[in-house]
Amino acid sequence: KAGVTQTPRYLIKTRGQQVTLSCSPISGHRSVSWYQQTPGQGLQFLFEYFSETQRNKGNFPGRFSGRQFSNSRSEMNVSTLELGDSALYLCASSLGLAGGLDNEQFFGPGTRLTVL
Amino acid sequence: AQTVTQSQPEMSVQEAETVTLSCTYDTSESDYYLFWYKQPPSRQMILVIRQEAYKQQNATENRFSVNFQKAAKSFSLKISDSQLGDAAMYFCAYNRNAGNMLTFGGGTRLMVKP
Repeated sequence: KAGVTQTPRYLIKTRGQQVTLSCSPISGHRSVSWYQQTPGQGLQFLFEYFSETQRNKGNFPGRFSGRQFSNSRSEMNVSTLELGDSALYLCASSLGLAGGLDNEQFFGPGTRLTVL
Repeated sequence: AQTVTQSQPEMSVQEAETVTLSCTYDTSESDYYLFWYKQPPSRQMILVIRQEAYKQQNATENRFSVNFQKAAKSFSLKISDSQLGDAAMYFCAYNRNAGNMLTFGGGTRLMVKP
């Protein structure tokens, strides 16, 4: 079974641009979560999608948005990029929304975004 | 809001020795889950071990075990017979059992000396 895939793996943008990152979950998984990892702030939860609906959202500005498609693939978009948006963006997929031990989250390799 | 704290930014252990990584958390919830994740230089997050808050028995997975002290809100990871491949960042994480959102600690970098 293929793991979680994220595209692109690396991305360089300039301030003010926008960017779209993609996450394809493990086949059969319906929940996708996104995290931002930076040296200063660590790992922070962005949002979670289940069955095309956003279920949870972290404390990020409205420039960060996402969506999920009917095949469970998810995209996140960052508009008007700032230098501080440079980070590793990780997505994780799981079967359902229940949390806990029977709903293990599997992480993708991440997308490294650099904003110049 | 829940918080997770890892007080050891870096730890070092000799190969074949035992090391313990510390984690404390703050929550008012009674039903939650705790995890340890490993992030090697490849950046791929890998689940190491997990614990249900209502279970008093500490979880074990081969060379990895936890010491879960619910009243103290402490969740430490013990790695026995350390191997070179154990070198990585280790993150403690909390899940409130309402969705899949994980709250992570700041991480501990583990170095393994041959």
